[in-house]
Amino acid sequence: TQLLEQSPQFLSIQEGENLTVYCNSSSVFSSLQWYRQEPGEGPVLLVTVVTGGEVKKLKRLTFQFGDARKDSSLHITAAQPGDTGLYLCAGASSRAGGTSYGKLTFGQGTILTVHP
Amino acid sequence: DTEVTQTPKHLVMGMTNKKSLKCEQHMGHRAMYWYKQKAKKPPELMFVYSYEKLSINESVPSRFSPECPNSSLLNLHLHALQPEDSALYLCASSQLGEAFFSLGYTFGSGTRLTVV
Repeated sequence: TQLLEQSPQFLSIQEGENLTVYCNSSSVFSSLQWYRQEPGEGPVLLVTVVTGGEVKKLKRLTFQFGDARKDSSLHITAAQPGDTGLYLCAGASSRAGGTSYGKLTFGQGTILTVHP
Repeated sequence: DTEVTQTPKHLVMGMTNKKSLKCEQHMGHRAMYWYKQKAKKPPELMFVYSYEKLSINESVPSRFSPECPNSSLLNLHLHALQPEDSALYLCASSQLGEAFFSLGYTFGSGTRLTVV
């Protein structure tokens, strides 16, 4: 069974602070996906990282995939109240024999609250 | 159209009722998923359909019955539910194969189900 450990579980910070969320596993993933979810809504895909060592930037968000493709991080610079939400990392794996679907392994999530 | 549409948005049902949740997408995705999500927790996979055939049932109780009438529609039939089944039910869709790893899931906004 593949597991993704996401930390921290809760993060409460002031506007303007920086933060990092971590996602770690002992398993190798073909890709690591980050989603953000607001209350009462479904998760929205922020980014996928596919290549070991890959770094992607999305405005104030920086995503990194570990060299061994077992871990990932999300760094937010100068957090804003609009960044508040549940952040989920999710790992996708290829299956021998050719899977016909994409099963994700989700981390436990990080609830981020950014206070004005 | 880049959305997954779920109806209804909210549903309250008694333990003896029969109801159905509906999900629709027109992105040409050939994999569709049902997830259950409790408050502040990650989504839990229930069912996966690929090419309109049930690929995975994650040991879900028989009071939940999925159906995929065509490549755009996914239903979840509910019967004799328990109060602990109250949750946000999310539908998602994705490409299959290699495209999934870079494109991830598209989630609907969910149906907030309350069993009384």
